[in-house]
Amino acid sequence: QKEVEQNSGPLSVPEGAIASLNCTYSDRGSQSFFWYRQYSGKSPELIMSIYSNGDKEDGRFTAQLNKASQYVSLLIRDSQPSDSATYLCAVNRAQAGTALIFGKGTTLSVSS
Amino acid sequence: GAVVSQHPSRVICKSGTSVKIECRSLDFQATTMFWYRQFPKQSLMLMATSNEGSKATYEQGVEKDKFLINHASLTLSTLTVTSAHPEDSSFYICSATEGGGWGNSPLHFGNGTRLTVT
Repeated sequence: QKEVEQNSGPLSVPEGAIASLNCTYSDRGSQSFFWYRQYSGKSPELIMSIYSNGDKEDGRFTAQLNKASQYVSLLIRDSQPSDSATYLCAVNRAQAGTALIFGKGTTLSVSS
Repeated sequence: GAVVSQHPSRVICKSGTSVKIECRSLDFQATTMFWYRQFPKQSLMLMATSNEGSKATYEQGVEKDKFLINHASLTLSTLTVTSAHPEDSSFYICSATEGGGWGNSPLHFGNGTRLTVT
C-alpha cells in the first residue's frame, strides 16, 4: 500500500464552484498534514497545514482531517481559473522526524 | 517568510559527467534539509535527509555513492549527481524546515533544478 494516495484526476470544476480534493494515508502515527499547490515546472508552495481532527479554514480553503479514517481533504470555495494546478497532499513520516511523504497529486482544472 | 534558494535552476550535461546542485536557506538556519526528485507527472520522491555536520540518510533504492550530499553548514546543502546518465534526468528539489521535532513546521522548497543528461 502506498503511503499517501490521491486521485490523480483531472478534476474539472466551473469557475465559482467548490472543488473537493481527497487524500488517504497509511501510517497511523502520522501527526502533521499539509496541502501544497504545484504549477507545472515549478516547486510546490504551501497552502494549508492541519494537525488535529476537524476543519481548518483559511480564506477560500478548508482542510479537513479525520485521523480515525486516515483521511485528509481540501475544499476550495469559489474556485478561480488561477486555482488550476496540481494539489499535493503531504504527510510527515512519524518515525523519521520532519520528512514529508507526498501523494501523486490531483490535477485541478477550473474553467471560466 | 522563509526562503530557500536553489541553484542552478536548469542544467544540461553530458552523460558521464557530474553535476552539483546547491540549496541555501537565506533567512533561517536549517538543521535538516531534504532532497526530492520528481519525474514528469509523478510525485515528489524523497531521496535523502541531510543533517548539518553528519552523513545524509538515504531512502531505500537511492544510491548514496551516486547522489553525494554534503551539508557543511546550517544554511547550505549540496547534491552532486556523479557520472550522470540520461535516466537521471529529472526535477530535483531541495527543501528545509525552520523547526525540528515531529514535522509541525512545513517544508519550504527551493525553486528546483531541471537536470537534463544528454
